[in-house]
Formats: sequence, C-alpha cells, structure tokens
Amino acid sequence: EAGVTQSPTHLIKTRGQQATLRCSPISGHTSVYWYQQALGLGLQFLLWYDEGEERNRGNFPPRFSGRQFPNYSSELNVNALELEDSALYLCASSFREATEAFFGQGTRLTVV
Amino acid sequence: AQSVAQPEDQVNVAEGNPLTVKCTYSVSGNPYLFWYVQYPNRGLQFLLKYITGDNLVKGSYGFEAEFNKSQTSFHLKKPSALVSDSALYFCAVRDGRDMRFGAGTRLTVKP
Repeated sequence: EAGVTQSPTHLIKTRGQQATLRCSPISGHTSVYWYQQALGLGLQFLLWYDEGEERNRGNFPPRFSGRQFPNYSSELNVNALELEDSALYLCASSFREATEAFFGQGTRLTVV
Repeated sequence: AQSVAQPEDQVNVAEGNPLTVKCTYSVSGNPYLFWYVQYPNRGLQFLLKYITGDNLVKGSYGFEAEFNKSQTSFHLKKPSALVSDSALYFCAVRDGRDMRFGAGTRLTVKP
C-alpha cells in the first residue's frame, strides 16, 4: 500500500512568487493535514481538510490557502512568498479521529 | 483549545540506560495521544498511541508510554536506550478537531 506522497520534494522560488505543494493521502483516508516545520523545529499547524471541506486552520496569514479534491488529494498554495516561508512542509493523512496520522516525506520550500 | 507541551528541548542519555521524554496535554474532552519520531530530513514516523484502555501503551522499537489522567501526562519511555534512538520526538494530541504537536524533544543517546 502506498504511503502519503508529496510533490515536489524540493521547490525553489523567488520572493513574491507563488508556490503550489501537492499531497496524495493513503487510499481510504479522508483527512489531510498540512504543517510547516522551519529549521528542524516544531510543527506549526496550517490547515486541516476532511471530506473536501476546510475544517480548521492555524494562525497563518490568508496567503496560505489550499483545497481538497474529490479524490481526497490536497494542494497547499502560498502566495506572495516571503523569505521566512522557507521551511519543510509536511502533509499527513488519517481515516478516523482516533487513528494515527501518517506523514509524507515533505516538500522543502526555499524562498530566495 | 487543545494543546500539548514538551518541557525539555533536549534529553541526553547514555546507551543502555533508561530514557524518558516528557509530554503534558490539555484538551476539553477525552484525549487521543500520539508519539512520533523524526530522523534528519525525513517525515514523521508513528511510534504509538493512546485512545482508551490500559494506561501503559507499547509501541514500535521497544518504546512505551504511560498515560496519566490526573497529571495530564503521556511520557515516552524505553528501558534501554540505543544510539540509533537519537532523533527528534514529538508528542501530539487530538480531541475531535485537528492534531496538534508539541515543540519536539531532541534525544541524544551517547555510546
């Protein structure tokens, strides 16, 4: 069974540009979570999608947005990139509330 | 709002000694608690979880965790540490909404 896959693995953008990160959950999982991890530090919660709806978002500006598609895959969009957006962006998926979430390997976004 | 705290940024232990990585939580309802490990430049790997039942939960790689409701804690433990256990460990909590993580504890096991 395939795990959570994220693409691309690395992304280099210029300040002011837009970045699109993609995540494919494990088959059967309906929830997708996005986290930002800067400099190998803690995980900051970005967004939670379930059954195609945004269920909750973390304390990030509106230029961080996303969506979940009918097949439960998800996109994270970051507009007007800033240098401090450089980080590892992790996606996770889960099936039910009481089950663990499984993580992808992440997308390393570098803003120059 | 749900939250989780890992009071120690760094834990150092000698190989063969027992290790403990601390975690406390705050939720409004019944907690679902998890431990994850992260190796350099990798995503997080699931170690173990507490949903209900026995307070002592056993997980992967010889790790276990003890749920203590009165102290709102969920400490990760291992009887005998290995050098290969050196990594970043995250505690997480869910209470029906999203999953929130602690800041992480860097475990270093020295030979």
